[in-house]
Amino acid sequence: GDSVTQMEGPVTLSEEAFLTINCTYTATGYPSLFWYVQYPGEGLQLLLKATKADDKGSNKGFEATYRKETTSFHLEKGSVQVSDSAVYFCALSDHSSYKLIFGSGTRLLVRP
Amino acid sequence: DVKVTQSSRYLVKRTGEKVFLECVQDMDHENMFWYRQDPGLGLRLIYFSYDVKMKEKGDIPEGYSVSREKKERFSLILESASTNQTSMYLCASSLNTEAFFGQGTRLTVV
Repeated sequence: GDSVTQMEGPVTLSEEAFLTINCTYTATGYPSLFWYVQYPGEGLQLLLKATKADDKGSNKGFEATYRKETTSFHLEKGSVQVSDSAVYFCALSDHSSYKLIFGSGTRLLVRP
Repeated sequence: DVKVTQSSRYLVKRTGEKVFLECVQDMDHENMFWYRQDPGLGLRLIYFSYDVKMKEKGDIPEGYSVSREKKERFSLILESASTNQTSMYLCASSLNTEAFFGQGTRLTVV
């Protein structure tokens, strides 16, 4: 079945460092891809999305590009802030059932 | 603003109790979901519903049931709570592919 694999954390960075969190997926069709973020004590919020190959999602300085050839959707940010400390989840959505399938999450800790 | 509301942030229940977790959305969304979140395991889908009175099992339905009598409300039921059901429970709703989440219910079964 469909699945999402993302890099294990925690990822610890200094403020203003470059961030990459890897995400790869397995799907039979052409899913939509998402990054969600969970701040401490809160539910998940959509960070960005891409619905077809070569689409780039972006929000709050974060970016991810839907790469069909490598089945990847890596999250990047050029300069992280302390306020970016959170857990990041990669997810895919099957267009036929609209089920959201999540990766295991990657905790990001940004130090001042 | 989009809103998904879960009835409780924290719950403590005893083993063997019947537990109801309620979720309400105000966006007229067709699809609703229940996930549980455990450290190192990410979010695992328990049940989802794509219409009133319609439900489908997710990846880990054992020990749970659901009810969707009205479009805006999706209830998760633990028929007989057990300690291995101690977890964070997240409800979500979606129209097409984008999902909106509630703040979660942290359930402890003692």
